[in-house]
Amino acid sequence: QVQLQESGPGLVKPPQTLSLTCTVSGGSISSGPYYWSWIRQPAGKGLEWIGRIYTSGSTNYNPSLKSRVSISLDTSKNQFSLKLDSVTAADTAVYYCARSNNDYGANAHDYWGRGTLVSVSS
Amino acid sequence: QTVVTQEPSFSVSPGGTVTLTCGLSSGSVSTSHYASWYQQTPGQAPRTLIYSTNSRSSGVPDRFSGSILGNKAALTITGAQADDESDYYCILYMGSGISVFGGGTKLTVL
Repeated sequence: QVQLQESGPGLVKPPQTLSLTCTVSGGSISSGPYYWSWIRQPAGKGLEWIGRIYTSGSTNYNPSLKSRVSISLDTSKNQFSLKLDSVTAADTAVYYCARSNNDYGANAHDYWGRGTLVSVSS
Repeated sequence: QTVVTQEPSFSVSPGGTVTLTCGLSSGSVSTSHYASWYQQTPGQAPRTLIYSTNSRSSGVPDRFSGSILGNKAALTITGAQADDESDYYCILYMGSGISVFGGGTKLTVL
């Protein structure tokens, strides 16, 4: 059974960089037709798609965040990571990592992490 | 920028049928948008119900179904139960690797 677990600082000062890691267990991050995604949700608000990385390493980002976001794979640790630069209070949210199976079309998310709350405050 | 639209709220009686929709501020939703639907209860991660317009995720009861209705993607819940009371989100694939979530629908079962 594949499991995803987010980790990282719960508090980030503006305008520092938010860095989160998603550790994948039960399957290899570098094999299969999978996209590894980051999604966030501010308190009381809706979901926002941040971006994704394919097993090949190719990435796609939300245009509204593209100038500040980077997603990478660390196959040696079976992890993928999110970096968001120049954060403000508006980046305070629960951040989720998820896997989608490209064989079933875009956004066929089959596994999700539980989410981690990141607060941006000085 | 294209906005993905959902009804902010909806209510259904227990045992009733409800259809939630997912549209575009400009244009029509088609199967090429690979609509997916997620259910979320407070404090929990989203749960995938439907992907690629009408494919049910593993373990999802068949009273949840997805379709294209007119120019929108739709999620239909048949025989609504109390524990269907949740927030429902759709996401559409816009091409070039980009996806956009709708604002979500808060479903009340009463």
